[in-house]
Amino acid sequence: DVQLVESGGGLVQPGGSLRLSCAASGFSVSKRYMSWVRQAPGKGPEWVSIIYRGGKKDYADSVKGRFTISRDNSKNTLDLQMNSLRADDTAVYYCARSGDDDFCFDLWGRGTLVAVSS
Amino acid sequence: SYVLTQPPSVSVAPGKTARIACGADNIQSNSVNWYQQKPGRAPMLVISYDNDRPSGIPERFSGSHSGNTATLTISRVEPGDEADYYCQVWDSRSEPVVAFGGGTKLTV
Repeated sequence: DVQLVESGGGLVQPGGSLRLSCAASGFSVSKRYMSWVRQAPGKGPEWVSIIYRGGKKDYADSVKGRFTISRDNSKNTLDLQMNSLRADDTAVYYCARSGDDDFCFDLWGRGTLVAVSS
Repeated sequence: SYVLTQPPSVSVAPGKTARIACGADNIQSNSVNWYQQKPGRAPMLVISYDNDRPSGIPERFSGSHSGNTATLTISRVEPGDEADYYCQVWDSRSEPVVAFGGGTKLTV
């Protein structure tokens, strides 16, 4: 089966850190663009970060300098290290695959909830 | 940057046609994607590159794009089409810009 499964979400205090992981099956994360997309309660999705096939990484301005995306080709996983978390980072975080050279997200995981609160 | 505007809600009777618009000031040169999201589920791509249907999406779903407005059309609407729908554009010529609309709740 082709699927993505996220893990690592939870409740964290403002200023804290959390590491999300996404396990892929049925395809290689190294061969596709892989992103994290989040969705705050009652809001539309928001793209967070991408890692390209060649390993280059990009981030939304809202998380630049605080979040780091990475992948482990041997484990076929995608990670998101989140530091200096703020209340407005509270959201469901989805791992998403896109096409060879675009941002058409054709496969999504079920998501993992990150709640930032004291 | 892109600010995509969608109507908050659209209501349609079963069997009729639903049209959901997505507008912005500067998307005439961008491709538009559409996602369907049901409660508690992840978004699902239903239209890419303005009017391409991914495998498994019914022919009842179609897209169009003219100028600064894109439209998702759902023909012969079924109760199972009730969901939130989001449009999305991107620009990766330099640092990537990816924007989603605020979403439209389709009520059948």
